[in-house]
Amino acid sequence: EVQLVESGGGLVQPGGSLRLSCAASGFTFSRYSMNWVRQAPGKGLQWVSYMSSSSKIIYYADSVKGRFTISRDNAKNSLYLQMNSLRVEDTAVYYCARIDDWSGPSPGEVWGQGTTVTVSS
Amino acid sequence: EIVLTQSPGTLSLSPGERGTLSCRASQSIKNRYLAWYQQKPGQSPRLLIYGASSRATGVPDRFSGSGSGTDFTLTISGLEPEDFAVYYCQQYGTSQDTFGQGTKVEIK
Repeated sequence: EVQLVESGGGLVQPGGSLRLSCAASGFTFSRYSMNWVRQAPGKGLQWVSYMSSSSKIIYYADSVKGRFTISRDNAKNSLYLQMNSLRVEDTAVYYCARIDDWSGPSPGEVWGQGTTVTVSS
Repeated sequence: EIVLTQSPGTLSLSPGERGTLSCRASQSIKNRYLAWYQQKPGQSPRLLIYGASSRATGVPDRFSGSGSGTDFTLTISGLEPEDFAVYYCQQYGTSQDTFGQGTKVEIK
């Protein structure tokens, strides 16, 4: 079964750091690009970051650029999001999503269940 | 950044009715790189449509997408009880994906 499982969320104070993980199973992780997408409580979806299958292409939303770092370990079938200098407005459910863009840009076709990040004092 | 504006914010319909959801972009979306997702409370988004009009695997044919340039539409022909949810459009043709703010389809 194709599956993505996020972990690492929790409660953190403003200015703090957190590292999210996304464990992939049921498919060849190294062949796929990945997105992080977040959803603040009661709000819509917001794209956060993209990493290509080879790790060579990385994009960030302006709202997280310079604070968040996306990475992956294809040997461990895992995607990561290092979040530093966290702000109250980063509070959200964070999803990872699989992107099959070998033949061109593609949307997220498989999504995890999400992990909740709460930034509060 | 391409801004996507969805309308209406809420659509109140009865089961069996046809639903038409709109997604308008602030600039032309190249190659129709426009997707639609369905999200139910407490669940992750589910991909319905990609490339503006191609249905994702397993999506019923009552869901159809159309449009190009800056104007796109998701049509649900004959709403089933399980279709009442929030729908998002997304453009994925630039270095920064963006989503619309969502349309809630509720039971009238």
